[in-house]
Amino acid sequence: QSVLTQPPSVSGAPGQRVTISCTGSSSNIGAGYDVHWYQQLPGTAPKLLIYGNSNRPSGVPDRFSGSKSGTSASLAITGLQAEDEADYYCQSYDSSLSGRAVFGGGTKLTVL
Amino acid sequence: EVQLVESGGGLVKPGGSLRLSCAASGFTFSSYSMNWVRQAPGKGLEWVSSISSSSSYIYYADSVKGRFTISRDNAKNSLYLQMNSLRAEDTAVYYCARDATSYNGWFDPWGQGTLVTVSS
Repeated sequence: QSVLTQPPSVSGAPGQRVTISCTGSSSNIGAGYDVHWYQQLPGTAPKLLIYGNSNRPSGVPDRFSGSKSGTSASLAITGLQAEDEADYYCQSYDSSLSGRAVFGGGTKLTVL
Repeated sequence: EVQLVESGGGLVKPGGSLRLSCAASGFTFSSYSMNWVRQAPGKGLEWVSSISSSSSYIYYADSVKGRFTISRDNAKNSLYLQMNSLRAEDTAVYYCARDATSYNGWFDPWGQGTLVTVSS
């Protein structure tokens, strides 16, 4: 059972917009800790996608955006492309765990 | 180029030990906290352990506390994870990842991972 809750799967057709939620609590996201997002393509290591709730590293397309509100965060992907099919993970920290890092359970994005 | 390369994985019997290494290059290793994150087959990511730049602060997930030991050698630009009393549930790909900041940070980059299989 992950501290951060994500939907197991989402799907969308090419060109569409999808969102992936990451729900936490008052001891992690709600406590003010930032949320970061990672993309894991099949058979590869995770790669940083969004940091500090809404910032994109260099090289990440602006089709990817992040937001945070209250005890939740969201990753939005617009103009869905076949190569976006991957697993997506949110990550934050939790004060009840002495500030240790926590991950969401991951969301499998399928491009129809 | 900033790079992390793990090694040391393999097949080990339950109760056995293994030492993972992570070689860093392309950045000032001694300035960053480092982490180990694992992923069991078909499962999600699980943070395992972190160590501050000077080894002053070390943290473990409850699932490995007392069995795993994280360490680093800044002179060798290397991170280690000593794993003892291994269990079947420790079977996973183990990734090392750099902590971008000293607080509330993100993990970037990640190594390619090394597979640890615990089985008799």
